[in-house]
Amino acid sequence: RKEVEQDPGPFNVPEGATVAFNCTYSNSASQSFFWYRQDCRKEPKLLMSVYSSGNEDGRFTAQLNRASQYISLLIRDSKLSDSATYLCVVNTYNTDKLIFGTGTRLQVFP
Amino acid sequence: NAGVTQTPKFQVLKTGQSMTLQCAQDMNHNSMYWYRQDPGMGLRLIYYSASEGTTDKGEVPNGYNVSRLNKREFSLRLESAAPSQTSVYFCASSERSYGYTFGSGTRLTVV
Repeated sequence: RKEVEQDPGPFNVPEGATVAFNCTYSNSASQSFFWYRQDCRKEPKLLMSVYSSGNEDGRFTAQLNRASQYISLLIRDSKLSDSATYLCVVNTYNTDKLIFGTGTRLQVFP
Repeated sequence: NAGVTQTPKFQVLKTGQSMTLQCAQDMNHNSMYWYRQDPGMGLRLIYYSASEGTTDKGEVPNGYNVSRLNKREFSLRLESAAPSQTSVYFCASSERSYGYTFGSGTRLTVV
């Protein structure tokens, strides 16, 4: 079983739609959680950290469910520029190493 | 504000040739990493360095060596390139696990 699992998609949504991605992780010792965004042929970039209480950054909301070991990302009012691959990322306690999911591809169409 | 700089951006090697991928960061981070990314496989850790003078193997270290030359620089060497090493290579740095900053990547093709 992979340590971090994501639905690869693609998710094809119209502009203005709300879309949600989930990610599950297998190691209950995981302590830090992130969502990264990766554009085609570019490097991954940090989108947002995920906190236990949930957090919001503009149109993006991230939530963590430790009991079920999953993380979610909600994007409201999708823009064409949101088209990218979204990587779910976790680390384990007391290490700096991050484990990346294979990503969920989002395509927003006009 | 350069962040993480990788060179070269593109490289084509013949099987058996050697090369070194260079990585430098100017953020005074302690930790540096080398990943490879292949279609359907996601990012896989090759080697990492938690601090100057230390290096450790990651998930897929075979066929690679690394050097943490100083706090800024972390190089990845392929001693005898194989077609299976065709990939996109990313260097990253971090301070604790407060998120990584990645370089722009090296696209390597081994023929």
